[in-house]
Amino acid sequence: DIQMTQSPSSLSASVGDRVTITCRASQSISNYLNWCQQRPGKAPKLLIYAASNLQSGVPSRFSGSGSGTDFTLTISSLQPEDFATYYCQQSYNTPWTFGQGTKVEIK
Amino acid sequence: EVQLVESGGDLVQPGGSLRLSCAASGFTFSNYWMHWVRQAPGKGLVWVSRINSDGGSTSYADSVKGRFTISRDNAKNTLYLQMNSLRAEDTAVYYCVRRIVGATPYYFDYWGQGTLVTVSS
Repeated sequence: DIQMTQSPSSLSASVGDRVTITCRASQSISNYLNWCQQRPGKAPKLLIYAASNLQSGVPSRFSGSGSGTDFTLTISSLQPEDFATYYCQQSYNTPWTFGQGTKVEIK
Repeated sequence: EVQLVESGGDLVQPGGSLRLSCAASGFTFSNYWMHWVRQAPGKGLVWVSRINSDGGSTSYADSVKGRFTISRDNAKNTLYLQMNSLRAEDTAVYYCVRRIVGATPYYFDYWGQGTLVTVSS
């Protein structure tokens, strides 16, 4: 199975901050990398697909980049509704695997 | 509007069985591959199983292989997960998830709200 490792596991930030989360795959996955957001008590929601494509309806402050084994999710200006847990997920091989999550908390 | 509504979660004893359902609406269900993903309390997301659009091909995580069975009824727009020989470690919220159709890279575009399965004596 492909292992996905996110860093950091958690971070504290203020409204307006720029936030970057990284995700590393245990083998090359081309651009088969997706990002989702999960607010407490809610279902996950797709943010970014194929490494850098913004899902319809997702604010443009979210962006993704990377290819191969190293990927990043960036929130350009953190908003109150962005405090949540973020997961990367590979769709290159079955089983599709997720990172362990990055919890973004209010500083 | 795409909707995925799970049901069937409950408290069950170890060794017991449960069948989860996921009612789909707002799209042509028979065109889509569907998946189950679970999340243990306070933990991350784990893929469980998937089924292709006509139900002829399935795949399972090693942790549930031989105990869980995924199926679908395209006439009823419903996805199922039959869970047998349940263990404490199967305790989780189970999400029904849609995979896009079309070209790769594939991804999950819609998630249900989840249904809680608790395995405990």
